[in-house]
Amino acid sequence: DGGITQSPKYLFRKEGQNVTLSCEQNLNHDAMYWYRQDPGQGLRLIYYSQIVNDFQKGDIAEGYSVSREKKESFPLTVTSAQKNPTAFYLCASSKVSGGTDTQYFGPGTRLTVL
Amino acid sequence: GENVEQHPSTLSVQEGDSAVIKCTYSDSASNYFPWYKQELGKGPQLIIDIRSNVGEKKDQRIAVTLNKTAKHFSLHITETQPEDSAVYFCAASWGGSARQLTFGSGTQLTVLP
Repeated sequence: DGGITQSPKYLFRKEGQNVTLSCEQNLNHDAMYWYRQDPGQGLRLIYYSQIVNDFQKGDIAEGYSVSREKKESFPLTVTSAQKNPTAFYLCASSKVSGGTDTQYFGPGTRLTVL
Repeated sequence: GENVEQHPSTLSVQEGDSAVIKCTYSDSASNYFPWYKQELGKGPQLIIDIRSNVGEKKDQRIAVTLNKTAKHFSLHITETQPEDSAVYFCAASWGGSARQLTFGSGTQLTVLP
């Protein structure tokens, strides 16, 4: 997990509510990523950001939003528009320079919609 | 886009035996292939990676081989131990300033004592 923290570890929400997941890194990495993991499946990219105040949609961005106001922080909001939000959410970060862009993951947040 | 297929989905081996997990990818432009180990309830941890300019890489009991012509790469774990039991994911990407990894569906490895 290194210097990537995610909070909370477990999160419960009622249908129709927005919820924000926190991701912080102290690795001085430029790029940050959000993935979703469902049982028996690989990780799927939601959003990524290469630089402060800039981010791009991944494969499954619908129903999610992000911000990147600081290099260290990349919060993910799961909105009420996300039809099936129950999942394990993983944040990752990497440097942005040739040959050293390995992605390192945080411990994850398990979101359950009640 | 890239598609990564991983086999087998589950693998059981006796302690001390070797384990092999295979992945195929579709995009010939992919040039970076990491392997991650994920323990229950935790985030994935990088265990080894390989870039397209090499065919094999070793780190103690773990090795990865890459066949660019056939577009497949494999993870080899020798002398398996119970603590090797976990889910292993392969991934592929073509690079760019922020690598967009495409993951396989994972292999649940169980090492039987």
